[in-house]
Amino acid sequence: QQQVKQSPQSLIVQKGGISIINCAYENTAFDYFPWYQQFPGKGPALLIAIRPDVSEKKEGRFTISFNKSAKQFSLHIMDSQPGDSATYFCAASKGGFNKFYFGSGTKLNVKP
Amino acid sequence: DGGITQSPKYLFRKEGQNVTLSCEQNLNHDAMYWYRQDPGQGLRLIYYSQIVNDFQKGDIAEGYSVSREKKESFPLTVTSAQKNPTAFYLCASSMAGTVNTEAFFGQGTRLTVV
Repeated sequence: QQQVKQSPQSLIVQKGGISIINCAYENTAFDYFPWYQQFPGKGPALLIAIRPDVSEKKEGRFTISFNKSAKQFSLHIMDSQPGDSATYFCAASKGGFNKFYFGSGTKLNVKP
Repeated sequence: DGGITQSPKYLFRKEGQNVTLSCEQNLNHDAMYWYRQDPGQGLRLIYYSQIVNDFQKGDIAEGYSVSREKKESFPLTVTSAQKNPTAFYLCASSMAGTVNTEAFFGQGTRLTVV
């Protein structure tokens, strides 16, 4: 049973466009929702994270929108650049221990 | 520089062999994890450890074993019982406590069965 569902599986966006990746979860006990960025052959790196007490968090061109009632959260990449081309994973965890449940990943390709 | 070091970067295993993947961290983190990544799939948890000399099975522990004899080290052994071991293996670490914090990942080990 997949705890976190992510879509789309792949995404192609023109340079300067907005990239949107969506995730949904079932377990209402989750209280930490990070997004990780992974380049080919590398380990994932934390991009941005949110807790359920806020509905939005913005860091530079990256924004997380969080809808607690719908149990959904999304990543928006504004002014997408070719250097943003990577695989993005959403994740969720609960309590004080970082046992993460990851989404299946979205491969983003930003065309120049 | 603080971080997580995984070695080797590439590993080839013959059928029926056990192999051990190394993971070392100098971040002074209590918690460490092993994840498996397959193409087009998310990361799946193999084993995790919150403290030295203690570890728990994750979602796909069959065919794997770990040890946590030192805080900075969490090696993973892929045994011959793992029927489909070809994958990208990622080690991670984080602080343990009452509030979730960032997990830091190593650069991964790509294991191939030949």
